[in-house]
Amino acid sequence: ELQLVESGGGLVRPGGSLRLSCAASGFPFSTNTMSWVRQAPGKGLEWVSSITAESTYIYQADSVKGRFTISRDNAKNSLFLQMTSLRAEDAGVYYCARDQGPQGYYMDVWGKGTTVTVSS
Amino acid sequence: SYVLTQPPSVSVAPGKTAKISCVEKNIGTKSVHWYQQKPGQAPVLVMYYDSDRPSGIPDRFSGSNVGDTATLTISWVEAGDEADYYCQLWDNNIYHWVFGGGTKLTVL
Repeated sequence: ELQLVESGGGLVRPGGSLRLSCAASGFPFSTNTMSWVRQAPGKGLEWVSSITAESTYIYQADSVKGRFTISRDNAKNSLFLQMTSLRAEDAGVYYCARDQGPQGYYMDVWGKGTTVTVSS
Repeated sequence: SYVLTQPPSVSVAPGKTAKISCVEKNIGTKSVHWYQQKPGQAPVLVMYYDSDRPSGIPDRFSGSNVGDTATLTISWVEAGDEADYYCQLWDNNIYHWVFGGGTKLTVL
């Protein structure tokens, strides 16, 4: 069964750091581009960052550039998001997703998400 | 960069047809994808490459993309279709994934 399971969310103070993880199973993880997408409370979906299969290319939304770092460990079927200098507007549910492409990438498998709360 | 505009809400009676639009200049030149999200759940892909349905998505769901508007059409709407729907494309000029603001579909 295709599965993505996020972990690492929690409560963090403004300016703090957090590392999210996503464990993949049921498919050859090392062959897919992977992404993080977030959703602030009561708001829509916002793409955060993506990484190609061999980590050759990394793409980031302007809102997180210089603060968030995406990475992956293909040997462990895992995706990560290191978040630093966290702000109140970074709070929300963070989803890990598998990309299909490359003729116009789309996300065909999603995890259930992990919640990040940024508050003092 | 692309800004995908969706109506905030669409209402439809059961058994009728719902059309959800996603507007951007020349969007017809891009591949558009659609996601359904029910409250408290993760998004689910319901349409990709404008009009392809993933396995398990009923054929009541269809898509089109022409000119400045991409459209997700849901025929014979059921109560279970009530959800938020998001359009998305990949901007290969700046390598960004772009989502529309979302449309809340209400089944009356």
